[in-house]
Amino acid sequence: DGGITQSPKYLFRKEGQNVTLSCEQNLNHDAMYWYRQDPGQGLRLIYYSQIVNDFQKGDIAEGYSVSREKKESFPLTVTSAQKNPTAFYLCASSRVGGALNQPQHFGDGTRLSIL
Amino acid sequence: AQKITQTQPGMFVQEKEAVTLDCTYDTSDQSYGLFWYKQPSSGEMIFLIYQGSYDEQNATEGRYSLNFQKARKSANLVISASQLGDSAMYFCAMREVSGGYNKLIFGAGTRLAVHP
Repeated sequence: DGGITQSPKYLFRKEGQNVTLSCEQNLNHDAMYWYRQDPGQGLRLIYYSQIVNDFQKGDIAEGYSVSREKKESFPLTVTSAQKNPTAFYLCASSRVGGALNQPQHFGDGTRLSIL
Repeated sequence: AQKITQTQPGMFVQEKEAVTLDCTYDTSDQSYGLFWYKQPSSGEMIFLIYQGSYDEQNATEGRYSLNFQKARKSANLVISASQLGDSAMYFCAMREVSGGYNKLIFGAGTRLAVHP
């Protein structure tokens, strides 16, 4: 079945440590997205990409970095510069162009906590 | 800038009854799209229904329907015949097109509890 796989499901970070969250999709989607969700709140966009080797900052990109070396993969690194990284991280993908009703498809998320 | 407002932090409904979850939006675009997603306690986001700004009919998908009032800039989700499995967070989102990129702007969400 096609879908989006995020790993790991739970991740713990020590102070001053960088951690990388994995996101892989086999939906043949061109666009991929990373969102952050804090308890009781909506999703905020961190980074997004519509093509390999190109990505754009979202609303809260500070302290995060991404790469898009392959169409299927869009890993997110939470750097030590992100002072409050504890949150639920969701990866999504979608088609580019086509009908306007194309939704974004989401993975199951990674829950990141500070040790 | 575009904005989505969901004013109901929490709602509860009796099983088998209908419930309306509110969503208002702000945009200066003539062409836009509105999405509703469901987020169960497990965390994944499930796409429910879409309404385009030029759609003449209100969108429907099974037990889900949209009460779309363009002049009032509202796109309320109606869930009919509520089931216990409908208990979840519900998010309204708007498509934003900027510099050739499509993004979604999300509201803060409404937590729905269905009581037996």
